[in-house]
This record gives sequence, C-alpha cells and structure tokens, in this order.
Amino acid sequence: GAGVSQSPSNKVTEKGKDVELRCDPISGHTALYWYRQSLGQGLEFLIYFQGNSAPDKSGLPSDRFSAERTGGSVSTLTIQRTQQEDSAVYLCASSYRGGSSYNEQFFGPGTRLTVL
Amino acid sequence: GENVEQHPSTLSVQEGDSAVIKCTYSDSASNYFPWYKQELGKGPQLIIDIRSNVGEKKDQRIAVTLNKTAKHFSLHITETQPEDSAVYFCAPRGNYQLIWGAGTKLIIKP
Repeated sequence: GAGVSQSPSNKVTEKGKDVELRCDPISGHTALYWYRQSLGQGLEFLIYFQGNSAPDKSGLPSDRFSAERTGGSVSTLTIQRTQQEDSAVYLCASSYRGGSSYNEQFFGPGTRLTVL
Repeated sequence: GENVEQHPSTLSVQEGDSAVIKCTYSDSASNYFPWYKQELGKGPQLIIDIRSNVGEKKDQRIAVTLNKTAKHFSLHITETQPEDSAVYFCAPRGNYQLIWGAGTKLIIKP
C-alpha cells in the first residue's frame, strides 16, 4: 500500500520568505510526527499529533514554526520568515497509534529545505 | 529528560565481518528499544525492536541485546553485506516519545 508521502521533495527559498511543507500519512494512522534533520545529524523532534488531542508542540524551535493537521489526516508544517539555520531535511512519520503504544513509525522521504 | 548516546559515530567493517553498535540511555523507565536504518535520501526505517521484558531478539542477520541494569542496548549485524551500508539510529522511548540517538554511519568495505 501507499506509504507516507511528503511534498515538495526539495524547496529552495530566500531568507525571510514563508514556506509550507506537506505530509500525507498512511491511511488510518492516527499519530503523526514532524522531525528536523540537519546534515549528518540525528532527528530533532518538532511536533506530534495524536487523533483529536491537542498536539505536542514542545519541540518547535521558535514561534516562526507552526503545524496543523486537517481532518486527522494531511498535515502542513509552516515556517515563517525563514532563516538560513532552518535549512535541513524535514521528515514526517505516522504510526497507527502514538503515546504509550509500541508502534512503529513509518517515515516519508523528507523535504530538503534550503534557505539562501 | 532522557539522554541517549550512540557509539561509535562511524564504523567501518570488512564485508562478511560483524558490526556492533551500542546505545546508552538515562531514563530507567524506558521500556521500548528500537533500531532504525536510514539509507541515503530516505527516511529511517525500523529494522528491529525489543521490549524491556526480553533480553535478546534476533531476526536473520540482525539482533538486538538489552541490558536494563546497565541501561544500554546494542545492535548486532553478522555477515555484513554492501546493502547494510547506512546510518543506524537507536531511539529508546522516553516518557511517551522516541528519543533519537545521533546515529552511527556504517561503512561496509568490499
């Protein structure tokens, strides 16, 4: 079946511009995660959605970052007034359930963001 | 919060030899210990996991061992092949989130 998809695969933008990154999770998965991965580094947690609960935004690095998830499915990560340090690969993952369950996270291929 | 360390950061082994990557964690309440593999240009993919009530789990050429007392778990890959070249991440579960290690780049030399 279809996996997690992300768009665009690559995004080049100018400093100060806003960008929107999209994630389509696996159908039926209630949990959705956004991570940031800088070159050669590990994954930095950004935000977590679980069903209709309020999202866990504890990983968002600044108020320029926001995310929403519409209808419990597609999610959009928005970065306002982009800075060069925002350049990274943004990964989305979904799982059947989040929280206390032992559920595998399925990752999309990521969006590579370059801020000039 | 949970502190996770992976060693080594880079590991180069001859094809056919074994590779071992170690992950240490700080949260004694952690009870789920997965390993993910990330190939170039792709997202991470789960390759093996273990729960806290088990000491070892094996799946063909890969195995994971857990030492809860010492708070570390290890990934073992035997008879390494070129397709094993990738970055491997441990991600023990903290309060309710996976806490990701910095990754180990595994290089398989022909």
